[in-house]
Amino acid sequence: TQLLEQSPQFLSIQEGENLTVYCNSSSVFSSLQWYRQEPGEGPVLLVTVVTGGEVKKLKRLTFQFGDARKDSSLHITAAQPGDTGLYLCAGGSGAGSYQLTFGKGTKLSVIP
Amino acid sequence: EADIYQTPRYLVIGTGKKITLECSQTMGHDKMYWYQQDPGMELHLIHYSYGVNSTEKGDLSSESTVSRIRTEHFPLTLESARPSHTSQYLCASSKQGGGRTEAFFGQGTRLTVV
Repeated sequence: TQLLEQSPQFLSIQEGENLTVYCNSSSVFSSLQWYRQEPGEGPVLLVTVVTGGEVKKLKRLTFQFGDARKDSSLHITAAQPGDTGLYLCAGGSGAGSYQLTFGKGTKLSVIP
Repeated sequence: EADIYQTPRYLVIGTGKKITLECSQTMGHDKMYWYQQDPGMELHLIHYSYGVNSTEKGDLSSESTVSRIRTEHFPLTLESARPSHTSQYLCASSKQGGGRTEAFFGQGTRLTVV
């Protein structure tokens, strides 16, 4: 069974601070996705990384896939209250895989 | 932009009632999923489908059932609702290509059984 461990589980920071959340596994994934979920809504796909060492940027968010494709990080620069939400990582096992393995999520609160 | 729709958004229902949660997607995805999630907590896969006439149970045991008669439609049914079924139910579909699997979620149905 593939598992994804996310840390920290909870994070509360002041507006303007930087933060990094982590997604780790002992398994290799062919791709890894990050989602953000706001209360009462479904998760929304932010980014997919597929190549070991890959870095993608989405405005103030920087996503990195580990060289061995077992882990990933999400760094947010100058956090805003609009960044508040549950951040979920999910790993795909490749062609033919029927489902994604989801981590338990990091609940981020950005205080104005 | 993902096109996956769930109805109703909110449902309050009495114990013992039969309910069906609707999920439809217009993206032509073969694979569809139902997840159960308590507020702010992790997702639990309860059902999935590879395609028409294919349904499987997920990792979390559930008393619900699903059907997949058409590619775009994946309804979930509870024959007799109980308070323990109170939760948020999320439907998703996924596409694959280029070595990646990406899921697209509906807005969810918040179910309360009283």
